[in-house]
Amino acid sequence: AQSVTQPDIHITVSEGASLELRCNYSYGATPYLFWYVQSPGQGLQLLLKYFSGDTLVQGIKGFEAEFKRSQSSFNLRKPSVHWSDAAEYFCAVGALYSSASKIIFGSGTRLSIRP
Amino acid sequence: SQTIHQWPATLVQPVGSPLSLECTVEGTSNPNLYWYRQAAGRGLQLLFYSVGIGQISSEVPQNLSASRPQDRQFILSSKKLLLSDSGFYLCAWSVGSRTSNQPQHFGDGTRLSIL
Repeated sequence: AQSVTQPDIHITVSEGASLELRCNYSYGATPYLFWYVQSPGQGLQLLLKYFSGDTLVQGIKGFEAEFKRSQSSFNLRKPSVHWSDAAEYFCAVGALYSSASKIIFGSGTRLSIRP
Repeated sequence: SQTIHQWPATLVQPVGSPLSLECTVEGTSNPNLYWYRQAAGRGLQLLFYSVGIGQISSEVPQNLSASRPQDRQFILSSKKLLLSDSGFYLCAWSVGSRTSNQPQHFGDGTRLSIL
């Protein structure tokens, strides 16, 4: 069965420092992968997506993610975080069911920014 | 461009009262529609999805029901709320497709508190 694991529940980094959020997936075929961000009390916003092609994908707000098939990973990175990046981040994999596309979400990583 | 609206933003209801949350999408036709629940500090749980008018699939047995009376309208209901129904409810849409590569786009959510 498809699944997504985000091993880090909570991460704190200093403002201006680099960031990497980990994501591992389990999927029997070529996965479609997504990263979403959720600010407190808000809905989820799509940061980036990977379907095929270049394994390094660029997203909004200066984020990027790299797909590594050999490691079943899709880690999210940002070279220099800003205080406004504090939020919950969800990795997700697209799943195909009999009648609709669905997305399976990881449990999320909460990012705090140290001034 | 497409937009998704959810209301109300917050709701406080007594145990045993009915519930109706509404979600509408603009700027697209025949979308797939989804209802999720997010418990405090937890990930997203898919409750219902719909691929067309009157077509509802339930993911988990529960005290809630969903309906899709119009192409771009999705309603989450309950006849009698339980304390365990408290949470953050998110509506989402994706391009109507049977492929697994469609990202979902989320509304701003409804915070439901049961007293």
